[in-house]
Amino acid sequence: DTGVSQDPRHKITKRGQNVTFRCDPISEHNRLYWYRQTLGQGPEFLTYFQNEAQLEKSRLLSDRFSAERPKGSFSTLEIQRTEQGDSAMYLCASSSNSQGLGELFFGEGSRLTVL
Amino acid sequence: AQSVTQPDIHITVSEGASLELRCNYSYGATPYLFWYVQSPGQGLQLLLKYFSGDTLVQGIKGFEAEFKRSQSSFNLRKPSVHWSDAAEYFCAVGENAGNMLTFGGGTRLMVKP
Repeated sequence: DTGVSQDPRHKITKRGQNVTFRCDPISEHNRLYWYRQTLGQGPEFLTYFQNEAQLEKSRLLSDRFSAERPKGSFSTLEIQRTEQGDSAMYLCASSSNSQGLGELFFGEGSRLTVL
Repeated sequence: AQSVTQPDIHITVSEGASLELRCNYSYGATPYLFWYVQSPGQGLQLLLKYFSGDTLVQGIKGFEAEFKRSQSSFNLRKPSVHWSDAAEYFCAVGENAGNMLTFGGGTRLMVKP
């Protein structure tokens, strides 16, 4: 499968723990995006990268959230000191310049449950 | 700030019937508009998009959407719904050349046999 891959698919953690999600984009895609989707809502933009550069991070929900894409390939999203309100689906998407604006390819998401 | 409203949370249609899903947006400039579909266990998939030009855009799976600037709307339509169209549909507006999407709350479509 050459689509966007996310790991783990489901993470259950206790409040206060740190969690990290990984996203592997489609191999030729240079842009990578993170979104959060809570139950019954549409996805909410968090941050995006072009290659290894993080071009927008002002929408990250708090300073407990951080993302990296160190070599311009896979990316990680870390949440420190998790809270129950962080429970959500975290979606990763990728795109390339040649595909046209806004044509994102989404992974199936990583579901976080904070107890 | 931009926003997207999808007034219908749930819609049920009979297979073979026509479909229209409503989307209203708020955006200061010429909008980049999208419709995505999310099926259970699958990632969001782009159905169609509008940037400029012809206000009636065609997408995949027989869907089309019409941009109406005067009504700030971008409604999604399909002339004949198939059972496989049951899914959740999201309208989105893009800023920063489409790199940052603001999604509506979604409309869940159910199809009756």
